[in-house]
Amino acid sequence: LAKTTQPISMDSYEGQEVNITCSHNNIATNDYITWYQQFPSQGPRFIIQGYKTKVTNEVASLFIPADRKSSTLSLPRVSLSDTAVYYCLVGDNGNTPLVFGKGTRLSVIA
Amino acid sequence: GAVVSQHPSRVICKSGTSVKIECRSLDFQATTMFWYRQFPKQSLMLMATSNEGSKATYEQGVEKDKFLINHASLTLSTLTVTSAHPEDSSFYICSASTSGQGQETQYFGPGTRLLVL
Repeated sequence: LAKTTQPISMDSYEGQEVNITCSHNNIATNDYITWYQQFPSQGPRFIIQGYKTKVTNEVASLFIPADRKSSTLSLPRVSLSDTAVYYCLVGDNGNTPLVFGKGTRLSVIA
Repeated sequence: GAVVSQHPSRVICKSGTSVKIECRSLDFQATTMFWYRQFPKQSLMLMATSNEGSKATYEQGVEKDKFLINHASLTLSTLTVTSAHPEDSSFYICSASTSGQGQETQYFGPGTRLLVL
């Protein structure tokens, strides 16, 4: 079973900030939180990873509260090309397989 | 970021034939690789964990004699779908892990689209 829960879908207009929240109530002490983006007929693409507090890179920010039971992926000023499925996963290290949930299908509208 | 490749990107075969899919980590070594399968409009489903130099670990419900996995080196894992049937038509994706700032991260290949006629 997937360790995470996300909204099934979200819609947004171009130029807006999009926040996708993921619940992982049973996250373990050694688990990191990783977000992936997947376009149709492509493999998932790594977006961002974090353990606690806030992480920011060139494409997104990841907010993790102190209890780590949830996390929020923030995409600034989305464009049509950001339309994709976004997966939130938790895991302790690279040798443990990632269990995918259903992900969040983001649709960006012009 | 780390690059994982798959070959072929798509393949069409007749029912009863075998198909081999290669997964390579191009700029890093991966002791562990993973194979997933994804049906249309669904999420990725883990099939097996592939360990270099040892037998793969299969998930429940995945036939090990049908989906043969060989992890011959630290940069190559292969998945062979034996005696393929139309119900094996799917999108097969591999992933490999690499270290970065003390935390392992998994990177995924581009996927292989298999169509069995």
